[in-house]
Amino acid sequence: DTEVTQTPKHLVMGMTNKKSLKCEQHMGHRAMYWYKQKAKKPPELMFVYSYEKLSINESVPSRFSPECPNSSLLNLHLHALQPEDSALYLCASSPPLGGDTQYFGPGTRLTVL
Amino acid sequence: AQSVSQHNHHVILSEAASLELGCNYSYGGTVNLFWYVQYPGQHLQLLLKYFSGDPLVKGIKGFEAEFIKSKFSFNLRKPSVQWSDTAEYFCAAGDNTDKLIFGTGTRLQVFP
Repeated sequence: DTEVTQTPKHLVMGMTNKKSLKCEQHMGHRAMYWYKQKAKKPPELMFVYSYEKLSINESVPSRFSPECPNSSLLNLHLHALQPEDSALYLCASSPPLGGDTQYFGPGTRLTVL
Repeated sequence: AQSVSQHNHHVILSEAASLELGCNYSYGGTVNLFWYVQYPGQHLQLLLKYFSGDPLVKGIKGFEAEFIKSKFSFNLRKPSVQWSDTAEYFCAAGDNTDKLIFGTGTRLQVFP
């Protein structure tokens, strides 16, 4: 199984809503990542968890809150988002000794109204 | 500062034409290099990667890339493209710190 899964596929939310994105991998990977991708742009790194600990936070606004409940699961909690936060949110994972090879999920298409 | 640049933003080819997409990186020390592809409506997939050893790397779907250290380049090639190769191609670099730097991407359109 070489798959990273993400739910939901699509999410529409208002600026006052609270929602969460979920990412799962069962490959025994040690690191998990959240990226934001705008149309026709490269992915932008948001957060990295390594062995379930937050290791990188790329100065992301606090309205995005990551959580890593266990080694297979990664959540991104969303609160009070802005319309400019509308994007494709990608999750990725990488194995131990992977040399940074990251395997990406299909993403959640988020629209903030 | 670490950076990856892709100079071809949009490439249009006919089927059976040869492809070369440019990628240059700026990194101090050891660098790992990747090409990812994103087909329309699909997720990013790893095409190939270079860590060390033979500078000519073979990937999936007939793609290959050559690492030229003296030119700080990692260009992607395919001798004969197909319509199904239409996609966005991203070059990326990392240095074992969990941080990948992506290039701005090249949109490839292949016409039958």
